[in-house]
Formats: sequence, C-alpha cells, structure tokens
Amino acid sequence: ELKVEQNPLFLSMQEGKNYTIYCNYSTTSDRLYWYRQDPGKSLESLFVLLSNGAVKQEGRLMASLDTKARLSTLHITAAVHDLSATYFCAVDNTGNQFYFGTGTSLTVIP
Amino acid sequence: GAVVSQHPSWVICKSGTSVKIECRSLDFQATTMFWYRQFPKQSLMLMATSNEGSKATYEQGVEKDKFLINHASLTLSTLTVTSAHPEDSSFYICSARTPAGLGQYFGPGTRLTVT
Repeated sequence: ELKVEQNPLFLSMQEGKNYTIYCNYSTTSDRLYWYRQDPGKSLESLFVLLSNGAVKQEGRLMASLDTKARLSTLHITAAVHDLSATYFCAVDNTGNQFYFGTGTSLTVIP
Repeated sequence: GAVVSQHPSWVICKSGTSVKIECRSLDFQATTMFWYRQFPKQSLMLMATSNEGSKATYEQGVEKDKFLINHASLTLSTLTVTSAHPEDSSFYICSARTPAGLGQYFGPGTRLTVT
C-alpha cells in the first residue's frame, strides 16, 4: 500500500517568516496534489504537479516535485495569517485512488 | 471549473436510523466518484470507489452492508449510512474524478452527527 507522510504535523510560525512542508511517499508516482482545508470545510485545490521537476507558484505558496526522491515540498514565503489552515498532499497511484498525507496544521501568529 | 455538490451539508440523526448523503457532479459527467471519511484533526480516509452502473469497491475495513453506495447515473452517487451509531459521526466528503482524469474535484462535505 502506498504511504504518504508529511512533516511537520503541526507548524506554528510568525508572520513574515518562511517555512517548508515536506511530503514523502513510498512508491513511484508522477502525480502529486496539494490541498488546503479550513476548519469545517472541504478541500481546496492548490497545486497539481504532474512531472519530475515540476514547480508551481501561487502567491506566497510554491510547490515542487522530485519523483526520484519521492518528495514534494510546499514552501511558504513571508507567511500571513490568512494562510492558517491544514495542508494535505495527495498522491495519485495512476489507478483510481488518492492517497492522502497526514496533513500539516499551520498556524500563523501575528 | 468543475463543481461537485453534496446534500445535506450537515445532518443530525438518532442511533439506529439511516441517513442518505447525495453527491452530484454539476457540470460534468463523473464515471468514478469517491467517498471519504474524516475524523477531527485527521486526514481523509478513502471508504469506497463508486463506478457508474456497477458495484462500489470498498476499502479494507469498511463495512459494505453498513455504508451502502449507489452510483445510478453519471452525475449522482449516494452514500447511505444504515443503522447509524455515534461512532459513525464524522465528516463525509465525496469527490469525482475529473473528465480529463487528472485529479479529483471535492464536494463541500457532509457533517453527520449521530445522537
């Protein structure tokens, strides 16, 4: 079974600081997704990464994918309070299933 | 973009009763839909994969007789929690595979509370 691990599980950071969330997965896959979830809400799609070396940026968030290392990163630049949420990565095993990471709960402190 | 809706958004029911949750793809045809369950502060757990016109495929440990899934059309899948118990209280999220097959669109979720 494909396993997806994220770290850290919890992240508390000050506004204006930078940080990176890591997503490791256990088997080959070239499709990786990042989602944001606010409390009580469903998932909001952030990034779709479809090939080795893919890098995508939206605002203060940047995601990358290294399929050889089976690693994706979500980098936060100059965090603001609005980024407080839980972030999930998910790996598509090219079958029919998504495997979700454990999630990273991010709190940005003023 | 493609939209997936769920109804109801929240429901409270008594132990022993059954609850039906609907998942609709509003502007595209979804041959495959997925049902997830999420407990507080945890990740999403895939319960079953629902294919239009055929029986759902359940993940290990998910009781198919308790969680009945019907995918009768290309835009509608339903999840019925039968004889609900308090431990079934959770956030249920459906998703539909995109027409291009890249990724999934997620519904807004249904919060079920069983008293």
